[in-house]
Amino acid sequence: GAVVSQHPSRVICKSGTSVKIECRSLDFQATTMFWYRQFPKQSLMLMATSNEGSKATYEQGVEKDKFLINHASLTLSTLTVTSAHPEDSSFYICSAWTSGGNEQFFGPGTRLTVL
Amino acid sequence: QKEVEQDPGPLSVPEGAIVSLNCTYSNSAFQYFMWYRQYSRKGPELLMYTYSSGNKEDGRFTAQVDKSSKYISLFIRDSQPSDSATYLCAMMTGGGNKLTFGTGTQLKVEL
Repeated sequence: GAVVSQHPSRVICKSGTSVKIECRSLDFQATTMFWYRQFPKQSLMLMATSNEGSKATYEQGVEKDKFLINHASLTLSTLTVTSAHPEDSSFYICSAWTSGGNEQFFGPGTRLTVL
Repeated sequence: QKEVEQDPGPLSVPEGAIVSLNCTYSNSAFQYFMWYRQYSRKGPELLMYTYSSGNKEDGRFTAQVDKSSKYISLFIRDSQPSDSATYLCAMMTGGGNKLTFGTGTQLKVEL
């Protein structure tokens, strides 16, 4: 089956630093990748949609200058949380979607803790 | 009103019980309906995928979609402790690729 990986799985950083999270589709080409944020005991909230080679589309209320998304290839998308603050602490999950099907395949998630 | 409503639980059942999980929705444009299972601190895993109305069965899992009532269900037969997880319903419009999730129902199957 389709496999999506995320790296790192867990990161702890100081307030004010930037953190980069990678999302890779390992055995298929993803035309679109999605980034979600999930707070404890809450559902997944879509942050942005990224298509390979074009700018990401952000959901309402998500700061594009704070959450930088790059989708440089059909197998890799990155999310950079810039100048992270404690309120950015959350579980970040990516998913990959291929135009050949109607399923999103999810990565294992990255737990970000900002001190 | 949220587009997708799901009782967050928690729901606790004894091993071997039949579990019924449900979601309601308001957007009549939803055509694709999914159920995901999420273990603590892990990404969601696709369990069932249904297009339009009807039933779909896969092992101990049965998904039902009633578009006329805007109501979907997931049934788990012979529930096991390993089924303990959060179950998320998700929906997508025809021609789209964005998922709208319910809040998830936390299920605990006890020995």
